Amino acid sequence: ETGVTQTPRHLVMGMTNKKSLKCEQHLGHNAMYWYKQSAKKPLELMFVYNFKEQTENNSVPSRFSPECPNSSHLFLHLHTLQPEDSALYLCASSHQRSGDEQYFGPGTRLTVT
Amino acid sequence: AQSVTQLDSQVPVFEEAPVELRCNYSSSVSVYLFWYVQYPNQGLQLLLKYLSGSTLVKGINGFEAEFNKSQTSFHLRKPSVHISDTAEYFCAVTRSNDYKLSFGAGTTVTVRA
Repeated sequence: ETGVTQTPRHLVMGMTNKKSLKCEQHLGHNAMYWYKQSAKKPLELMFVYNFKEQTENNSVPSRFSPECPNSSHLFLHLHTLQPEDSALYLCASSHQRSGDEQYFGPGTRLTVT
Repeated sequence: AQSVTQLDSQVPVFEEAPVELRCNYSSSVSVYLFWYVQYPNQGLQLLLKYLSGSTLVKGINGFEAEFNKSQTSFHLRKPSVHISDTAEYFCAVTRSNDYKLSFGAGTTVTVRA
């Protein structure tokens, strides 16, 4: 148990659908992250939130829209996705201190049809 | 910006044999280094990290890694692997004044009886 949960674990959606991924952490961390994991590629950092404020957006297409209502919850709203967006989406959290490890959730396996 | 290269994408190994996973990084400033493991259908879990001090770092599950500044490497080793070590292993780096990680593409270790 890592203290970071993600729902749903699996999601299949059409290109015209709207869905949301949810992440929750109970570790008292102040930074939360969304990563995209595609096969045989490095993890791609998508968004970083620190104390509910977005501090990084790595040129992510606008069809991905993050939301962080508080330090414990993070959402990723999805709309009009493309098949190449199919991947494992990982949420992580950490203290915002250099050298501290990030704690990862189990991920949401997203398939866009 | 820093980057990470994991030199082997797949490493097959027999049970009870030793294994070494290679990781090289590039950075113009001092860094912190991490190894994470991802078991099937799970998120990433920290194996070990190097911040400062002794260049030989011991982690969980019998893994260790050695930081070599002159060769900009942080190779991971285990003297005797088990079937349960079958997983994907990720090397990651961050600047010592930052908290965001850059990951390598991963090395898949398959342990056979």
